[in-house]
Amino acid sequence: GAVVSQHPSRVICKSGTSVKIECRSLDFQATTMFWYRQFPKQSLMLMATSNEGSKATYEQGVEKDKFLINHASLTLSTLTVTSAHPEDSSFYICSVGEGAYTEAFFGQGTRLTVV
Amino acid sequence: SQKIEQNSEALNIQEGKTATLTCNYTNYSPAYLQWYRQDPGRGPVFLLLIRENEKEKRKERLKVTFDTTLKQSLFHITASQPADSATYLCALPNSNSGYALNFGKGTSLLVTP
Repeated sequence: GAVVSQHPSRVICKSGTSVKIECRSLDFQATTMFWYRQFPKQSLMLMATSNEGSKATYEQGVEKDKFLINHASLTLSTLTVTSAHPEDSSFYICSVGEGAYTEAFFGQGTRLTVV
Repeated sequence: SQKIEQNSEALNIQEGKTATLTCNYTNYSPAYLQWYRQDPGRGPVFLLLIRENEKEKRKERLKVTFDTTLKQSLFHITASQPADSATYLCALPNSNSGYALNFGKGTSLLVTP
């Protein structure tokens, strides 16, 4: 199966600053990657679909100007949380897959804490 | 709206027993359903996928059933071990976003020696 690496695994930033999270597909060329967010005791919620070479597609209620996604290559997608606020503190996870009816491969997640 | 419901209460069982977790969904007609395991502070790990035309799927000590009439899936771990302690997530395809997934909140399983 695909190996997905996220970096950093943990980050603490000050309110108002921006944070970039990287998601790398180490052995799988991913034209599509998904970004999820998980608050404590809550389910993973899809934030956006990252498309290689084109604009990301955001879920309803997710601000595209706040959560910038760049998918410049088949192995790397980045999520930048701009002007972070404490309410953005969450667990961010990316995933790749080969399509419907197949398993999804997830990164190890990034724990973002905004202080 | 589409909902995926899993028992929010933690399930505590004794080692060697069978654990049974439930996933109920509403306003869905999924072509398949998946189960994942998630350990604290980690991303989910795939366990099993079952298609709508399959009643049951097995993998080693794991068994999944899928009842599209009841809109329910049951996930069984037989001969449970302390290492099986984790949160188990039920996932259905996101009908609006390609092959992304919608997840339940998960059920925490604790297997005690």
